[in-house]
Amino acid sequence: NAGVTQTPKFRVLKTGQSMTLLCAQDMNHEYMYWYRQDPGMGLRLIHYSVGEGTTAKGEVPDGYNVSRLKKQNFLLGLESAAPSQTSVYFCASSYSPGGPSYEQYFGPGTRLTVT
Amino acid sequence: KQEVTQIPAALSVPEGENLVLNCSFTDSAIYNLQWFRQDPGKGLTSLLLIQSSQREQTSGRLNASLDKSSGRSTLYIAASQPGDSATYLCAVMISGTYKYIFGTGTRLKVLA
Repeated sequence: NAGVTQTPKFRVLKTGQSMTLLCAQDMNHEYMYWYRQDPGMGLRLIHYSVGEGTTAKGEVPDGYNVSRLKKQNFLLGLESAAPSQTSVYFCASSYSPGGPSYEQYFGPGTRLTVT
Repeated sequence: KQEVTQIPAALSVPEGENLVLNCSFTDSAIYNLQWFRQDPGKGLTSLLLIQSSQREQTSGRLNASLDKSSGRSTLYIAASQPGDSATYLCAVMISGTYKYIFGTGTRLKVLA
């Protein structure tokens, strides 16, 4: 039982390049989330999904796209990276149908630098 | 708009002290509140989750309380140890949504 995993762990991009971050969970969770964490600003919600095939915008969605084609995977895409997207990205999941709570479980993070 | 605040931003205490971390939120329409621990360069580890209908939760040396009407939660750590040194974050799940809003955290250092 791996929990929540994120790929890759580190990445350096040049301005204008694109990339996709992969989040996978093996807990049969319905809800999945992408956050970014910047110094002094806590975690901010980028996009989230409440089930396979659904996505919704969070607090800071501009410049990002997401897809949830399979229940266990949630992809975060950057189409044209900007230095302002330099951050640590965390994926989280929660809620199993019939489960007792909406406790969030987090992945280890992806450190992204855009030069 | 829901805002979550954690004060103080940093705290340094000698080993063995009992301590309280604070979390306040502006809108009482929450579904639950969750406390996390984050070690440097790592992800978040869930410590305690309190449903909106509950007043407190306990796990080992940790006790979290929730007062929805006043928009406050506290995390009590008993007999602190150097291994408790980390950043502690709280997050509220907004009622009627599936979204969480995080505080900016309290960075705790327990001195041996």
